[in-house]
Amino acid sequence: GAVVSQHPSRVICKSGTSVKIECRSLDFQATTMFWYRQFPKQSLMLMATSNEGSKATYEQGVEKDKFLINHASLTLSTLTVTSAHPEDSSFYICSAREPSGGSSYNEQFFGPGTRLTVL
Amino acid sequence: SQQGEEDPQALSIQEGENATMNCSYKTSINNLQWYRQNSGRGLVHLILIRSNEREKHSGRLRVTLDTSKKSSSLLITASRAADTASYFCATDVNSGNTPLVFGKGTRLSVIA
Repeated sequence: GAVVSQHPSRVICKSGTSVKIECRSLDFQATTMFWYRQFPKQSLMLMATSNEGSKATYEQGVEKDKFLINHASLTLSTLTVTSAHPEDSSFYICSAREPSGGSSYNEQFFGPGTRLTVL
Repeated sequence: SQQGEEDPQALSIQEGENATMNCSYKTSINNLQWYRQNSGRGLVHLILIRSNEREKHSGRLRVTLDTSKKSSSLLITASRAADTASYFCATDVNSGNTPLVFGKGTRLSVIA
């Protein structure tokens, strides 16, 4: 199946700093990518939908000025956590759908996740 | 937002036993998918069942879907200690560029 990568896999930062997480579709072009957040022992919660060449769509309760999303190309979306605080510590997972007509139509491929720890 | 509930939230069984996890959802769907997640790791796609399907098998996995009740179940037969993980159902309401919506998950512990 298609592959989605994330970088970094793990990051530890000090409170107040900004952290950028990259999500790449390695063997297909994705006009839309999704960002999820998962707190310990909880499920994945959709944060935002990243659209190539346009503004991201944020879910209710997610601050767009805090979680900056840039989808500058068909294979790369970035999530920047600005002025991170300890409560932003979480597992961030991105995903992308392979375009219709591909061998895995309808399947949404997930990146391996990024563990963010804010001290 | 999440589609619905999974039950049980946690399940502990002996190796060799069968594990059944249930998932309920709220809206009409195009398909429903089950994922597995080991602690602190990424998601592993297990199986996809379309809305016009009622049952699907993959190895030791059996998934059922009842669209009239808006529910699905995942059965793992002859469980192994390595099956210990969290299991999530995820619903797909549209085959276009819409995200999967996840249930709350079931934490399965298989005791050797």
